[in-house]
Amino acid sequence: DAKTTQPPSMDCAEGRAANLPCNHSTISGNEYVYWYRQIHSQGPQYIIHGLKNNETNEMASLIITEDRKSSTLILPHATLRDTAVYYCIGQINAGGTSYGKLTFGQGTILTVHP
Amino acid sequence: DSGVTQTPKHLITATGQRVTLRCSPRSGDLSVYWYQQSLDQGLQFLIQYYNGEERAKGNILERFSAQQFPDLHSELNLSSLELGDSALYFCASSVAGSMGNTIYFGEGSWLTVV
Repeated sequence: DAKTTQPPSMDCAEGRAANLPCNHSTISGNEYVYWYRQIHSQGPQYIIHGLKNNETNEMASLIITEDRKSSTLILPHATLRDTAVYYCIGQINAGGTSYGKLTFGQGTILTVHP
Repeated sequence: DSGVTQTPKHLITATGQRVTLRCSPRSGDLSVYWYQQSLDQGLQFLIQYYNGEERAKGNILERFSAQQFPDLHSELNLSSLELGDSALYFCASSVAGSMGNTIYFGEGSWLTVV
């Protein structure tokens, strides 16, 4: 399994960029890094994923270090509605067969304040 | 709206009873996943189906079972219910059960066992 480590909580001011770090030093070369968030018991919401290159979409940017041991999710202009638990996940490759399931850790509670 | 539909949204039942949770995946998705989220355990992967066949199994109790039907909808059956089974149950789907495919979650079914 690709174990990921995230800070338990972070704060961010509204309108500022939120930078959420994730360490995944055991990730293998063909494992993707996924980011999801969960807003107060709603279904987890997909944000972004990447393998080696940095990625950007309408929600966020994902910066992956060259050695792939860590990554940072960037919410460029955080709003109050971005307050949620953010999960960084290494997608598991079980026994050489790609199953695609995601294993969630404890995540980072991001609180965006006015 | 992720496109994954779960019913019922809320369910209250007594210990020892049996319930069935239903999931309709996004149109075109062949893989279905079930997750359980309780206060003390976080998001736990239960089981995955791909095109009607079981693909991966997680921490699913023997009292629980699931299946995916030819029309690709899935049902999670929970029997001999205990108080500790009270949780939020999420269904998710993806196009294929392989790495790099984005998994989309439904809004969950709240199960309360009394």
